[in-house]
Amino acid sequence: RKEVEQDPGPFNVPEGATVAFNCTYSNSASQSFFWYRQDCRKEPKLLMSVYSSGNEDGRFTAQLNRASQYISLLIRDSKLSDSATYLCVVNTNAGKSTFGDGTTLTVKP
Amino acid sequence: DAGVTQSPTHLIKTRGQQVTLRCSPKSGHDTVSWYQQALGQGPQFIFQYYEEEERQRGNFPDRFSGHQFPNYSSELNVNALLLGDSALYLCASSAGLGRNSYEQYFGPGTRLTVT
Repeated sequence: RKEVEQDPGPFNVPEGATVAFNCTYSNSASQSFFWYRQDCRKEPKLLMSVYSSGNEDGRFTAQLNRASQYISLLIRDSKLSDSATYLCVVNTNAGKSTFGDGTTLTVKP
Repeated sequence: DAGVTQSPTHLIKTRGQQVTLRCSPKSGHDTVSWYQQALGQGPQFIFQYYEEEERQRGNFPDRFSGHQFPNYSSELNVNALLLGDSALYLCASSAGLGRNSYEQYFGPGTRLTVT
């Protein structure tokens, strides 16, 4: 079993739709959590950090449930430009980062 | 403000050869991590350097080694290349250790093909 598992993709949604991605992690010592976005043949870019209290950045909302070892990302009012692969990242306090394999989102007109 | 830079962008090597990849961190960053990303997978953590020392290491064999220089730039060396080493190699930089070090900024990567 992988340390970080994400929803299998791809997700194909129309513009304006709301879409949610899930991620589970197995290491209970994990301390920090992030979502990255990766466009085709480009490097990953930090999208947002994930806190226990949840955090929101415009159309994006991230949630963390430590008890269930579960992270989510919600995208509201999807835009064509949201099409990308979304990577869940989990870090231990020692500095080791573990990435999920990503979930691919395609937003269609 | 220069971001993370990597060189070369592409590289083709044959099995058994050795390769060196280079990374310059974002201005103000002193921690460098290296990742291997195979097609269709997420980046896999190779190792992390801080203060010129390897601080953390992922599940990669000793054929993968690295170095960090006093100016914080870093090299990744891979010896005795295998076909399976073909991948995108990403360098990420961050500031210090601890929570702030987790916000990583990636370079564009070096695409290595082993034939």
